[in-house]
Amino acid sequence: QQQVKQSPQSLIVQKGGIPIINCAYENTAFDYFPWYQQFPGKGPALLIAIRPDVSEKKEGRFTISFNKSAKQFSLHIMDSQPGDSATYFCAASTKAAGNKLTFGGGTRVLVKP
Amino acid sequence: NAGVTQTPKFRILKIGQSMTLQCAQDMNHNYMYWYRQDPGMGLKLIYYSVGAGITDKGEVPNGYNVSRSTTEDFPLRLELAAPSQTSVYFCASRTESYEQYFGPGTRLTVT
Repeated sequence: QQQVKQSPQSLIVQKGGIPIINCAYENTAFDYFPWYQQFPGKGPALLIAIRPDVSEKKEGRFTISFNKSAKQFSLHIMDSQPGDSATYFCAASTKAAGNKLTFGGGTRVLVKP
Repeated sequence: NAGVTQTPKFRILKIGQSMTLQCAQDMNHNYMYWYRQDPGMGLKLIYYSVGAGITDKGEVPNGYNVSRSTTEDFPLRLELAAPSQTSVYFCASRTESYEQYFGPGTRLTVT
């Protein structure tokens, strides 16, 4: 019930391409869906987040698409750059019980020059 | 602001030893969290706190303990370390608008 499933596990794109990472959830009580970017040896950094009353949100080159009926959300990285090479995690939480984040398994993205 | 700070950065423990991982934040956040991240995996919640004096278990609390005597500090205690506790540990704190900010992590090896 609490699981968040993330795919693919890894992704390779050429510079300028659009990596797309997908996440699916079961718990309909989730009401906050953030994406985190993590570089090797560093802590996760909040990238962008969305709430279920919005179907799309853009911040710079990063876009979240949200499909409430399908219980799915995805991250698109527009005009990807080699500096975007990192591991990306989706997550979800509810207002209840401390707003605990449930993380997906992560996607390792490599952007080739 | 220094944000979320963690010490030590690295530590090697022998089986059965104990240690405390330190976490501090200077953003006056009420909510704080401890996660562990195993190689190639997502983060799993160990314990969390909604304010000074209030803590609760997360998904994987066994073998750990926490305390929260001040808003700023949220130490994680490992008693009787086991090889299964080899991991990277991240502390985080949360704003009122749900945004969680993570520390740089502590890489722990138990041998």
